[in-house]
Amino acid sequence: EVQLVESGGGLIQPGGSLRLSCAASGLAVSNNYMSWIRQAPGKGLEWVSIMYAGENTFYADSVRGRFTISRDDSKNILYLQMNTLRAEDTAVYYCARLEVATTMGFDYWGQGTLVTVSS
Amino acid sequence: QSALTQPASVSGSPGQSISISCTGTSSDVASYNLVSWYQQYPGKAPKLVIYEVSERPSGVSNRFSGSKSDNTASLTISGLQAEDEADYYCCSYAGGHYVFGLGTKVTVL
Repeated sequence: EVQLVESGGGLIQPGGSLRLSCAASGLAVSNNYMSWIRQAPGKGLEWVSIMYAGENTFYADSVRGRFTISRDDSKNILYLQMNTLRAEDTAVYYCARLEVATTMGFDYWGQGTLVTVSS
Repeated sequence: QSALTQPASVSGSPGQSISISCTGTSSDVASYNLVSWYQQYPGKAPKLVIYEVSERPSGVSNRFSGSKSDNTASLTISGLQAEDEADYYCCSYAGGHYVFGLGTKVTVL
């Protein structure tokens, strides 16, 4: 059974930094395309970042230069390093697997971790 | 990277069919047959219900169907049921990136 468990969220002041983790079981992050997707309170989904095979990465314009996606293959964990946080980064952050063999859709999602940027 | 355009809300009576549109641009929806749809209940993670415009994952009801014309994709739910009341989001590949729609709240009257 595949499980994705996010952690690391919390209350942080504007301008601060936070690192989110997504611990995977049932799949290897090194062999999968993994993404971060966020949802501001009461708002819609917003794609944030993706790490493709070979560690090729892409970012949404809203976070490029401030956020960095990475992974630790030995621990099977996906990370999102978030720097220079702004109030508009407040959201539940989900990690998700992009399934590429058949669906090309985000088929496994974690439960999310809440990041609140406020003074 | 602008969000895809969806109606804020759509409603229908049990048994009816409803459709949700998802309008993008030449950089996303129009250029790739990689549109997916997600169903989300309050407080829950999204669930994939349609991929590659019109394909259903295993286990998803055949009441869900998808289509695309030019820069607009659509999700149709036929034989509407109470359990279909949820938020629905489209998503398109956009050349390395992905973009989601703003979301549509489906209400079963």
